[in-house]
Amino acid sequence: EAGVVQSPRYKIIEKKQPVAFWCNPISGHNTLYWYLQNLGQGPELLIRYENEEAVDDSQLPKDRFSAERLKGVDSTLKIQPAELGDSAVYLCASSLRGSGEQFFGPGTRLTVL
Amino acid sequence: GQSLEQPSEVTAVEGAIVQINCTYQTSGFYGLSWYQQHDGGAPTFLSYNALDGLEETGRFSSFLSRSDSYGYLLLQELQMKDSASYFCAAYSGNTGKLIFGQGTTLQVKP
Repeated sequence: EAGVVQSPRYKIIEKKQPVAFWCNPISGHNTLYWYLQNLGQGPELLIRYENEEAVDDSQLPKDRFSAERLKGVDSTLKIQPAELGDSAVYLCASSLRGSGEQFFGPGTRLTVL
Repeated sequence: GQSLEQPSEVTAVEGAIVQINCTYQTSGFYGLSWYQQHDGGAPTFLSYNALDGLEETGRFSSFLSRSDSYGYLLLQELQMKDSASYFCAAYSGNTGKLIFGQGTTLQVKP
């Protein structure tokens, strides 16, 4: 069974540029999460989807971040415009339903110059 | 607020036993998860405790005491490949949210 797939793995952009990350969850997993992880810290939830509905986006900085999960499968997270402080690893995870057992993708390491 | 506390670093020798403690303060607590993350890798699920007591999975065991808001991860017969960061995470069933601790870096020495 394939795991959570993310792309790109690495992205380097200049500040004020837009950037997008893509995630394909494990087949059949209804719940999809986007996390942000800074160096030396634990993942922090940005947004959680149940199927195509965003059920928790309270931690998503909506002035510059947006996300979508069309058809309740793949998801895209976008930042526009990026700031220096956005440099981090962006992790996607999925689970059958809301659960303490989540399956993480390899992440996208974003560097904003 | 919601927070989890765990030691920042632990060092042990190959073949030894190590315990990583975690205390939590979260609303709507349902259970405690543990994840392993190697440098540059994805967090990998290790265990989930919803009930008090010890859960054993191979060399790894996890314990939860809901009355003490405390849990630990026990790693036995340490191997070099166990060198990684270990995160405890509290799951809130009310919100469906998993709140992670800051992580404990385990270094296993020969």
